[in-house]
Amino acid sequence: EPEVTQTPSHQVTQMGQEVILRCVPISNHLYFYWYRQILGQKVEFLVSFYNNEISEKSEIFDDQFSVERPDGSNFTLKIRSTKLEDSAMYFCASSEGWWSRQTDSYNEQFFGPGTRLTVL
Amino acid sequence: AQSVAQPEDQVNVAEGNPLTVKCTYSVSGNPYLFWYVQYPNRGLQFLLKYITGDNLVKGSYGFEAEFNKSQTSFHLKKPSALVSDSALYFCAVRTRIYNQGGKLIFGQGTELSVKP
Repeated sequence: EPEVTQTPSHQVTQMGQEVILRCVPISNHLYFYWYRQILGQKVEFLVSFYNNEISEKSEIFDDQFSVERPDGSNFTLKIRSTKLEDSAMYFCASSEGWWSRQTDSYNEQFFGPGTRLTVL
Repeated sequence: AQSVAQPEDQVNVAEGNPLTVKCTYSVSGNPYLFWYVQYPNRGLQFLLKYITGDNLVKGSYGFEAEFNKSQTSFHLKKPSALVSDSALYFCAVRTRIYNQGGKLIFGQGTELSVKP
């Protein structure tokens, strides 16, 4: 069964450093997402991406964050200058489309296993 | 503002007994509703969704959920719990806005513990 993969599983960095989190979505999916979960808190939406541009972003997703699909398979989240409060589990997700005409239903999002980011 | 509430941080059930994990939501308009499960060191796995139609939705691993519009609830249920059902369960909602994207708004999660 196809699945979303993420690397690395755990990233430790110093405050102020840049990090890039990588995701490989399911191959025929067109919509891509990043979420994060600070320890003990809710899973929060960061950004959605479609057709090589951001579709929607939350207020968390400020100028320090950027996303890119550099090739046909990878989807990356970059944090330019990490802060202590960026420490969290970051989840990538993808979906086949927004709406399936075949099933007349909203396509669910499939999530990766997450990257745990620790900022020291 | 859209929100999802899971009032119980933890639910404890004996194996073989029925289980319920509660979820209530607050959105404008009609929602799309989802349940996801997270096992240790794994990503969120889709369990089931409510889009329209029958209020009782059946999903993976014998789980089902009941949509109640008047109570704005979408409780997850299973008639007979298994020890392997022990995990973290998340309820999520998306509003019916026909645009690109589709962010999910999650509840805080409920830890389900099934004892033998």
